[in-house]
Amino acid sequence: EIVMTQSPATLSVSPGERATLSCRASQSVSSNLAWYQQKPGQAPRLLIYGASTRATGIPGRFSGSGSGTEFTLTTSSLQSEDSAVYYCQQYNKWPLTFGGGTKVEIK
Amino acid sequence: QVQLVESGGGVVQPGRSLRLSCAASGFTFSAYAMYWVRQAPGKGLEWMAVISYHGRNKFYADSVKGRFTISRDNSKNTLYLQMNSLRVDDTAVYYCARDGGTYDNPSYWFDTWGQGTLVTVSS
Repeated sequence: EIVMTQSPATLSVSPGERATLSCRASQSVSSNLAWYQQKPGQAPRLLIYGASTRATGIPGRFSGSGSGTEFTLTTSSLQSEDSAVYYCQQYNKWPLTFGGGTKVEIK
Repeated sequence: QVQLVESGGGVVQPGRSLRLSCAASGFTFSAYAMYWVRQAPGKGLEWMAVISYHGRNKFYADSVKGRFTISRDNSKNTLYLQMNSLRVDDTAVYYCARDGGTYDNPSYWFDTWGQGTLVTVSS
């Protein structure tokens, strides 16, 4: 099983600042990586797939990068509504696995 | 609009069974692979099961293999999860999710999620 490790566990960022979240895979997943956003009491929402392609309707301030084992999700200018937990997911091999999540808090 | 609505959750004793349903609307259900993903209280996401668009191919996480069965009825636009021999550690919100691709080109990521249904396994 591919283990996905996200860091940091919690990130506190001021509005308008950049937020950078990391996701590391225990073995290469090529670019087969997705990012999801989950707000309290809500279902996850797809943000990014293919490591860097924004899903439909996702604001341009969200961007993904990386390949192989190291990936990054960046929010260029954090908005208050971006407070959430963010999960990465690899789909290169079965079983599909998620990272443990990064909680983004607004200062 | 595209919508997935889960139902069937509740409180059940260890060792008992429960069947979850996921009603799909707003898209051609029979074109998409579908998944069940769960989230234990305060924890992260865990993929459980997948079923192909036609229903012939199914795959499970080791943690539920032999106990859970995924199925679908394309004539009713509904996905199911039959859960047998439930354990306390099966307690979670169960989400159904749609694959991002169609037919024989699945993506293996999840572009649409339901709101989830809570299953509590407790004596």
